[in-house]
Amino acid sequence: GEDVEQSLFLSVREGDSSVINCTYTDSSSTYLYWYKQEPGAGLQLLTYIFSNMDMKQDQRLTVLLNKKDKHLSLRIADTQTGDSAIYFCAETPSGTYKYIFGTGTRLKVLA
Amino acid sequence: DADVTQTPRNRITKTGKRIMLECSQTKGHDRMYWYRQDPGLGLQLIYYSFDVKDINKGEISDGYSVSRQAQAKFSLSLESAIPNQTALYFCATSEGPGTYNEQFFGPGTRLTVL
Repeated sequence: GEDVEQSLFLSVREGDSSVINCTYTDSSSTYLYWYKQEPGAGLQLLTYIFSNMDMKQDQRLTVLLNKKDKHLSLRIADTQTGDSAIYFCAETPSGTYKYIFGTGTRLKVLA
Repeated sequence: DADVTQTPRNRITKTGKRIMLECSQTKGHDRMYWYRQDPGLGLQLIYYSFDVKDINKGEISDGYSVSRQAQAKFSLSLESAIPNQTALYFCATSEGPGTYNEQFFGPGTRLTVL
């Protein structure tokens, strides 16, 4: 099927690291994305990784890609209360218009 | 000003009513999309349009119709609303084509069908 899977909830303490996992479906996807949805708002692109990379770091964010297992993860270092949101991974299979979103992981940061 | 706007932001209606949700963008993008968000289900694509004359059904188009009035405007209609269409609706745009395809989302419309 075309389900991009994520766990629904994650709770961490402020200052700890958060790791959000995603299993995607199509190995042809050239780019894989992480979007953030804050309460009452639309999704915004947080970061992305090109499929020929294993890792991408951007300030507090680290994206890891395991193409063999079709596994994508987003690590947020020193998690802050402002990081509380829903995080969606997404893939765009090569040669299609499709933008397939995961189910979303709701991150709750405890003070 | 926001690049992608949606009106209304909230709407409560009754079963059987016709509803139109509107989306406007100032990004100059050709591609526009309508998604529906339900808790635990992520986003599901309803319709998409790659230009004014190109409109396509997504995964869950039944019960919905769209109109692309101009490059900047893409409207979603529910001809006869039913309670299971209660959801959060998002409009999005992207530049396309190309393999890198960031989508830009509006703030969403929360629709409740009683």
